[in-house]
Amino acid sequence: AQSVTQPDIHITVSEGASLELRCNYSYGATPYLFWYVQSPGQGLQLLLKYFSGDTLVQGIKGFEAEFKRSQSSFNLRKPSVHWSDAAEYFCAVGAGGSNYKLTFGKGTLLTVNP
Amino acid sequence: DTGVSQDPRHKITKRGQNVTFRCDPISEHNRLYWYRQTLGQGPEFLTYFQNEAQLEKSRLLSDRFSAERPKGSFSTLEIQRTEQGDSAMYLCASSLAKTSYNEQFFGPGTRLTVL
Repeated sequence: AQSVTQPDIHITVSEGASLELRCNYSYGATPYLFWYVQSPGQGLQLLLKYFSGDTLVQGIKGFEAEFKRSQSSFNLRKPSVHWSDAAEYFCAVGAGGSNYKLTFGKGTLLTVNP
Repeated sequence: DTGVSQDPRHKITKRGQNVTFRCDPISEHNRLYWYRQTLGQGPEFLTYFQNEAQLEKSRLLSDRFSAERPKGSFSTLEIQRTEQGDSAMYLCASSLAKTSYNEQFFGPGTRLTVL
C-alpha cells in the first residue's frame, strides 16, 4: 500500500527566507504526486503536481517541487516566503488504476515570522 | 465555475443522532470523493463515485456511514448513530475522469462536532 511521510510537523521561517518542505513516499509503481495547501477553515488547494517528464515542476504562488526517484522524495520549495504563505501543507500520492485514491501525509504547518 | 460546495459548513450534534452532509461537485466532473480529516492528520479516503456508481469504500467507512450520488450529480454522506469519534472535517472533492492525472478539486469541508 502507498504511504506518504512528511517528517516536519511544524516549520517556522522568517518572511523573505527560503523554504523547503520535505515529502517522502512509498509506492510500487510510478507515482502521481501532489502538493496541497490548506488555510485555516478552508479546503485544500492544489499547488502543483507531478506525473511524468521534467522532474522539476512549477506550481502556483511561486512554489516548485522536485521529484527524485532514487530518494523517493518530492520536496516543495519556495525561494522567498511571504506572510500569506502561512498555512498547512500536504503532500499526497495518487494510486489506483487511474489514480483515483489520494493518500496524504500528516501535513507540515508553516509559520511565517515578520 | 463555482467550485465544489459543501453544506453545512459546520454541524454540532449529540451522540446517537443522525447527520447528513451534502456535496455539490463542479458541474462537468463525473467523479466525486469523500475524505475525512481529523485533527493533526491529513485527509483519509472514504469513498468515491464515478457518475452514480459507488466504486470503492474504505474500511474506515463503517456500516453507520452511507453515501449516495443519485443521478450522478450531488452527493450525500449520512452518518447514523453518531459517536464522538466521528468528530472530524468531512471533505468532498471532484474530478474529471477523462484526464490522465485525475486532479481533484476540494470543497471547503463540513466540520462535524459530536457532543
